[in-house]
Amino acid sequence: QVQLVQSGAEVRKPGSSVKVSCKASGGTFSTYGISWVRQAPGQGLEWMGGILPFLGTTNYAQKLQGRVTITTDGSTGTAYMELSSLRSADTAVYFCARSMATYCNSPNCFKDYFYNGMDVWGQGTTVTVSS
Amino acid sequence: QSVLTQSPSASGTPGQRVTIACSGSSSNIGSNTVNWYQQLPGTAPKLLIYNNNQRPSGVPDRFSGSKSGASASLAISGLQSEDEADYYCATWDDSLNGLYVFGTGTKVTVL
Repeated sequence: QVQLVQSGAEVRKPGSSVKVSCKASGGTFSTYGISWVRQAPGQGLEWMGGILPFLGTTNYAQKLQGRVTITTDGSTGTAYMELSSLRSADTAVYFCARSMATYCNSPNCFKDYFYNGMDVWGQGTTVTVSS
Repeated sequence: QSVLTQSPSASGTPGQRVTIACSGSSSNIGSNTVNWYQQLPGTAPKLLIYNNNQRPSGVPDRFSGSKSGASASLAISGLQSEDEADYYCATWDDSLNGLYVFGTGTKVTVL
């Protein structure tokens, strides 16, 4: 049973960047999509974006365009989420999650992969942005 | 703010049935299937329902989902103390570049 293991908590100053890792343990995610979801303290879930590793394609939430970059390293089975120009509003728990679907049968592969949601989640990484 | 609206809270006594509603629009729920997640305090979300009414392996059949038009609902029958959690609806939104959207969340309290 695959698990997603994330890197530890981070503290950053406003204006800096943070890179969070998500490693597949007990399996691989090469045939799945990976999403990143964040949750600010006391708030709901926010989808940040995702990647289809086998296609190398990404899709980002519009509000984070230009600040977020999601990548994968197939040799280590690790996904990364980097967020730049950090502000206090970016203080949150960041989760990686694996798509339930493993196939694409339309021109919109991202939709096909995440249509049925994410069934394996990392434990979460707390990122605190404070001066 | 989220494009999917849920009531902030719901409650029931053990054994009761609780229903959580999720309201969207034609670009999201109206044209795509709905997923539901359960988030216990301090933990990662767990996929509870996918494709409107399908349960992943291991999810009790006390949980059921439905969809009608641009709205969806999650029902918990035979409420148990361990069901006390936050519940989120989610779906794909076809507007702009397309993205996955979550509901505002509903806190279920077992009285």
